[in-house]
Amino acid sequence: EPEVTQTPSHQVTQMGQEVILRCVPISNHLYFYWYRQILGQKVEFLVSFYNNEISEKSEIFDDQFSVERPDGSNFTLKIRSTKLEDSAMYFCASSEVRDQPQHFGDGTRLSIL
Amino acid sequence: TQLLEQSPQFLSIQEGENLTVYCNSSSVFSSLQWYRQEPGEGPVLLVTVVTGGEVKKLKRLTFQFGDARKDSSLHITAAQTGDTGLYLCAGLRNTGNQFYFGTGTSLTVIP
Repeated sequence: EPEVTQTPSHQVTQMGQEVILRCVPISNHLYFYWYRQILGQKVEFLVSFYNNEISEKSEIFDDQFSVERPDGSNFTLKIRSTKLEDSAMYFCASSEVRDQPQHFGDGTRLSIL
Repeated sequence: TQLLEQSPQFLSIQEGENLTVYCNSSSVFSSLQWYRQEPGEGPVLLVTVVTGGEVKKLKRLTFQFGDARKDSSLHITAAQTGDTGLYLCAGLRNTGNQFYFGTGTSLTVIP
């Protein structure tokens, strides 16, 4: 069964550094998403992406965040200048169309030191 | 503001018992999903409900969407240790692409 894949599984970065999290959505899916889950807390929506542009973003997704689909398969989340509070699991998800269920990757654990 | 409230937050039961998890909101959703998440992994989709009053069964799991599409429940019959995990509901509203996740219910089934 096709799945969403995320790399790396764990990223350790110094505070203030830039980090790029990578995702390969399911190939025939058109909608892509990033979510964040701080340890012990709920899953929080960051951004949705469709037709090569952001379709919706939450308050968390401020100017330090950006997303890109650099080619036909990858979907990336960039955090420009990381802060300690950015430490979390970051999940990528994709869906075939807007109101179809989202399929999640296994996440990238981001640890900011 | 929490759009989707789940209850209970924590649940510990003996193997073989039945349980129900609730997902409630004051907002209407066009669809609602239930996921299960294991530690260190991403949420895994269990079911999607889209019609008010809809009931779906997945082996020992029964999912119901409220008539007004504001709430949902997950009922597990004869729980097994393999059912242990974090159960999440997530809803899509009529506008926008944002899925709103519930607060989660952490289920532990004791042998």
